[in-house]
Amino acid sequence: QKEVEQDPGPLSVPEGAIVSLNCTYSNSAFQYFMWYRQYSRKGPELLMYTYSSGNKEDGRFTAQVDKSSKYISLFIRDSQPSDSATYLCATQGGKLIFGQGTELSVKP
Amino acid sequence: GAVVSQHPSRVICKSGTSVKIECRSLDFQATTMFWYRQFPKQSLMLMATSNEGSKATYEQGVEKDKFLINHASLTLSTLTVTSAHPEDSSFYICSARDIAGSETGYTFGSGTRLTVV
Repeated sequence: QKEVEQDPGPLSVPEGAIVSLNCTYSNSAFQYFMWYRQYSRKGPELLMYTYSSGNKEDGRFTAQVDKSSKYISLFIRDSQPSDSATYLCATQGGKLIFGQGTELSVKP
Repeated sequence: GAVVSQHPSRVICKSGTSVKIECRSLDFQATTMFWYRQFPKQSLMLMATSNEGSKATYEQGVEKDKFLINHASLTLSTLTVTSAHPEDSSFYICSARDIAGSETGYTFGSGTRLTVV
């Protein structure tokens, strides 16, 4: 079993839609959970992170962690074509452990 | 914010030659740098972790004699792909962790597309 599992998609939505991206993880000791955005042929950039369970909001983005079910989510409201990218969840276990990444396409 | 510069962004080399990729932290000191490999539509695979002034720690299955890593200063790490073969063609990405060692303080370079012909 992979330490972090993520549905690779691809996911295609119309502009303005609410996007839900999800990951599961296996080690209950993980405390930090990150979401990275990676544009084509570029390095990942940190979008937001949460510590332990709970929600964190930043503009149109909301990160959610449910440690009881080992579930990580990223919600994007009012999605824009510029949000089209690959989104990678990650957790910190001495090193970054990434999910497979979900390729998102937002159509105008 | 923290910036990591990675060069070159793209390189094409002949089979059997060696290629060096540089990773620099521009405005912070990085005691630890990480090298990843990414295949198309796949996640980042950690190859090795390098600490300034010491030998790199390689992940299982990564040939340390083929992928030479040097981390001679707090702002520079290099990855040399020796005797490159077409199967080494991939996207290589470095990441630097700031000296404060925060849990989320990882900054990534923009990646190097290596094509071996």
